Amino acid sequence: EAGVAQSPRYKIIEKRQSVAFWCNPISGHATLYWYQQILGQGPKLLIQFQNNGVVDDSQLPKDRFSAERLKGVDSTLKIQPAKLEDSAVYLCASSLVSGGYNYGYTFGSGTRLTVV
Amino acid sequence: RKEVEQDPGPFNVPEGATVAFNCTYSNSASQSFFWYRQDCRKEPKLLMSVYSSGNEDGRFTAQLNRASQYISLLIRDSKLSDSATYLCVVNKDSNSGYALNFGKGTSLLVTP
Repeated sequence: EAGVAQSPRYKIIEKRQSVAFWCNPISGHATLYWYQQILGQGPKLLIQFQNNGVVDDSQLPKDRFSAERLKGVDSTLKIQPAKLEDSAVYLCASSLVSGGYNYGYTFGSGTRLTVV
Repeated sequence: RKEVEQDPGPFNVPEGATVAFNCTYSNSASQSFFWYRQDCRKEPKLLMSVYSSGNEDGRFTAQLNRASQYISLLIRDSKLSDSATYLCVVNKDSNSGYALNFGKGTSLLVTP
């Protein structure tokens, strides 16, 4: 089974620039998540999609972050403009939810963003 | 109160030791519980789910106490390869599509 694919692996940008990350989940996983992991902390949920609809974006800084999953498969996360504090690893995950139970996530290898 | 709180760590233990990690969660309605393992500069990977009756997978034992909102992970006979960060994970709430909340993680270093 192919895993969750993410690109790019690394990105260095200057503050106030924009950046986009891409994610392709495991085939058949309707639920897709974007997490932000700052060094030394656990992953923090940014947004959750169920198919192409947003389920939870309460922790997404909407003034600068946006995400979409237009066809209910792959997804993009964008930051515009970036700030220094956005330096983190951006993790995409997908999961199988069946019978009211979440069987756990599979994460992609993440995109390490450095804002200078 | 944070939604998922873990032992601060780090834990430095010799090979062969038994080590236990603890975690508390704030949402009494949580239904799904997991331990994830994260190696340095890698993504988190599912280590094991945690069931109400407790469960074991080889050297790893997970326990859940719903009344105390407490989760534990016990590692017996530690190996050098167990060195990693262990993340306690709890689902956010039943209305959020089963999104998961992660603790900050506890770092384990197993030494020769």
